[in-house]
Amino acid sequence: GENVEQHPSTLSVQEGDSAVIKCTYSDSASNYFPWYKQELGKGPQLIIDIRSNVGEKKDQRIAVTLNKTAKHFSLHITETQPEDSAVYFCAAKSGGNQFYFGTGTSLTVIP
Amino acid sequence: DAGVIQSPRHEVTEMGQEVTLRCKPISGHNSLFWYRQTMMRGLELLIYFNNNVPIDDSGMPEDRFSAKMPNASFSTLKIQPSEPRDSAVYFCASRGLLSMNTEAFFGQGTRLTVV
Repeated sequence: GENVEQHPSTLSVQEGDSAVIKCTYSDSASNYFPWYKQELGKGPQLIIDIRSNVGEKKDQRIAVTLNKTAKHFSLHITETQPEDSAVYFCAAKSGGNQFYFGTGTSLTVIP
Repeated sequence: DAGVIQSPRHEVTEMGQEVTLRCKPISGHNSLFWYRQTMMRGLELLIYFNNNVPIDDSGMPEDRFSAKMPNASFSTLKIQPSEPRDSAVYFCASRGLLSMNTEAFFGQGTRLTVV
């Protein structure tokens, strides 16, 4: 099956700086890569996703890049704000219906 | 739509007792997933259903765990007997099967504590 690795496990940045979280996957058949944000006491919520036919996608301060050859994808958050503090999960979906999640990155934005 | 609804939000039970977690997926979604989240292992897929049929239960830890989906709007995850190591947050998620590359929507989770 698919194996998704995520780094770093924790990340602290100053407010206004950028944050980058990286993930790798193993199954070249994976074709959909969502990113989830989980706030304390809540379930994960989708913040951005990318499909395998696209190399980059941007939504305001959030962007995701995908390198299919290297099998890695990254989340970029610019101009970070305290409310960005949360745990972020990457995931990969292959031809089946399962989502395979990374182990999560705890992001802290320091005011 | 109210989203994926899980109950209870919190459950504290004694070791050996039976625990039943409940999930109502988003109306019209025909894939349902049960995940377990712990600090050590992150988000683990336990089982998922397509059109009420269990497709992959290889993530179910052992025979003490069972899941059912008697209809399109309801699923249960049962642990019998429960053990302290089952303590975790259990999430239910749903998505539309025909939308091949779309997100799974998560519920708020059930925090289970087995003492």
